[in-house]
Amino acid sequence: KNQVEQSPQSLIILEGKNCTLQCNYTVSPFSNLRWYKQDTGRGPVSLTIMTFSENTKSNGRYTATLDADTKQSSLHITASQLSDSASYICVVSAMPGGGADGLTFGKGTHLIIQP
Amino acid sequence: NAGVTQTPKFRVLKTGQSMTLLCAQDMNHEYMYWYRQDPGMGLRLIHYSVGEGTTAKGEVPDGYNVSRLKKQNFLLGLESAAPSQTSVYFCASSYSIRSRQFFGPGTRLTVL
Repeated sequence: KNQVEQSPQSLIILEGKNCTLQCNYTVSPFSNLRWYKQDTGRGPVSLTIMTFSENTKSNGRYTATLDADTKQSSLHITASQLSDSASYICVVSAMPGGGADGLTFGKGTHLIIQP
Repeated sequence: NAGVTQTPKFRVLKTGQSMTLLCAQDMNHEYMYWYRQDPGMGLRLIHYSVGEGTTAKGEVPDGYNVSRLKKQNFLLGLESAAPSQTSVYFCASSYSIRSRQFFGPGTRLTVL
């Protein structure tokens, strides 16, 4: 069964510090991996989308890495801000031919930035 | 562009009542999705559509029906609401099955 595991479940850091969120997956065959940010009470917003040939992708202070061999991804947040407080969801796509049910969602990491 | 919009934002139903959630997108996307999000469960796909007039079942379709009569709209229906359907419902759309999804703001539904 395809699975996406995220760690830690929750994380509290001080404003200005860096942090790294982890995503391990067993989805096969792999198509792409996505990171979403979900603010409390809102819908998820896409941060990055990576195919197996991409090792690193940045979006401002967010940098995602992908190791397709070990089936691991990380999301690194640099110089955190209060607005970074949110849940971060890892989503892996296994759809060589189509079918939205090929998307596997992680349960998310709840990040709190303290002033 | 409004992106993806959902109506209503909140709703309280009694067991056995019916309702329809409306999702609209103005990005001309072919693909549209309905998810539910429950505490500790992550997002789960209910139904999806790959184009006008098409629908398909997702991971948790029981108790729900959908229709996509127009490309820009995707409706989610609950014929006889149950307390287990208390959840936050998100609609999403995408250009293709491999591209990123754009999510709506969600509908918080409580079934008493």
